[in-house]
Amino acid sequence: GAGVSQTPSNKVTEKGKYVELRCDPISGHTALYWYRQSLGQGPEFLIYFQGTGAADDSGLPNDRFFAVRPEGSVSTLKIQRTERGDSAVYLCASSPYPGGYGYTFGSGTRLTVV
Amino acid sequence: KQEVTQIPAALSVPEGENLVLNCSFTDSAIYNLQWFRQDPGKGLTSLLLIQSSQREQTSGRLNASLDKSSGRSTLYIAASQPGDSATYLCAVFDNQGGKLIFGQGTELSVKP
Repeated sequence: GAGVSQTPSNKVTEKGKYVELRCDPISGHTALYWYRQSLGQGPEFLIYFQGTGAADDSGLPNDRFFAVRPEGSVSTLKIQRTERGDSAVYLCASSPYPGGYGYTFGSGTRLTVV
Repeated sequence: KQEVTQIPAALSVPEGENLVLNCSFTDSAIYNLQWFRQDPGKGLTSLLLIQSSQREQTSGRLNASLDKSSGRSTLYIAASQPGDSATYLCAVFDNQGGKLIFGQGTELSVKP
């Protein structure tokens, strides 16, 4: 596609529920990144895929968070047993290769846990 | 652990002024540094990317400098316009080129 697409744009869920956030990167981009942005803060790195494999998942805060990219294109960020502290904007980005050039962000999914 | 700091957190200027946004980072072993713009409710748009071997990059009214040894970068905006109002984020790519580490941003407001 023309840009990085994230769905849904907004998600409200109850505490304790499971949610899935989807990212559709630019076609042909091999690198895909997930970030989380809290109000008034810069984005924080969560996980980075090169192809189908997670090259760096050091930013995932705990084992309730998991992400997959089974065919090397679309990625899903999965959050189990959501907590109110998980409320944030989740941003996805993709690039043709690691290193910064062509780094393109989606508009994000705003997750609110009530 | 790399940390990125941006000063000031917020800035309000009248239209037409030249202004400088500051970014500092603690570990000079960076792959590159990028400046992004974020509009409310939107994703981030890359403005300028400076490789670790470069000193500056220019695009239109924007000029970004990099002093890797001192851990500093500046974004200079010439002749500011109300349309420049947004949050500006500085980010460094770690030396593996894998992830961006962001500052907290500077919220810029340009008054007509």
